[in-house]
Amino acid sequence: NVMMTQSPTSLAVSAGEMVSLSCKSSENLYSSTYKENYLAWYQKKSGQSPKLLIFYASHRASGVPDRFIGSGSGTDFTLTIRSMQAEDTADYYCARHYSSLWTFGGGTKLELK
Amino acid sequence: EVQLVESGGGLVQPGRSLKLSCAASGFTFSNYYMAWVRQAPKKGLEWVATISTSGSRTYYPDSVKGRFTISRDNAKSSLYLQMNSLKSEDTATYYCARVAGLGGYFDYWGQGVMVTVSS
Repeated sequence: NVMMTQSPTSLAVSAGEMVSLSCKSSENLYSSTYKENYLAWYQKKSGQSPKLLIFYASHRASGVPDRFIGSGSGTDFTLTIRSMQAEDTADYYCARHYSSLWTFGGGTKLELK
Repeated sequence: EVQLVESGGGLVQPGRSLKLSCAASGFTFSNYYMAWVRQAPKKGLEWVATISTSGSRTYYPDSVKGRFTISRDNAKSSLYLQMNSLKSEDTATYYCARVAGLGGYFDYWGQGVMVTVSS
């Protein structure tokens, strides 16, 4: 089974700070056929449905602010928030989507200091 | 506007069954794979099931395989999750999600429906 490991499990940052969240896969998520990494990032705020932020590791979903940046390839991925805003307080999940199996990471809880 | 509206949740005893529904609108339902994802209280997100556009192919993680069945009615733009032999660990909010792209990421989500398995 593919494992997705996120770190840290939680962190608190001040408004305006840059934040980097890590996601590591136990399997290579890069498709040489389609030249994409099958890795997505989701934001889950308390009491709300999950929201797609990033797909194919680095493509921002429609309407997502450009302070959210996805990067990485293969097994190591990062979600960067360039300048933390109060509304970014949420849980963040990476997820592998490949070959009709989906696996979420354990999540990172991000709070405003 | 894409909308996914779940229904059918509630309190059910261990070992019993429950069927969730998801009504889709705002897109051509028959063109998309669909999925169910759940979140247990104070836990992370967990993928539960995915179904192909025609319904001919279904996919499950080991945690629900043999107990849950995903299905769809393209004429009604509706997605279903039949849950049998329910366990306390199935207690969660269940989300219906649209699957997009190659391999499939979840681009739209419903508001979720709560399922509580308890005696």
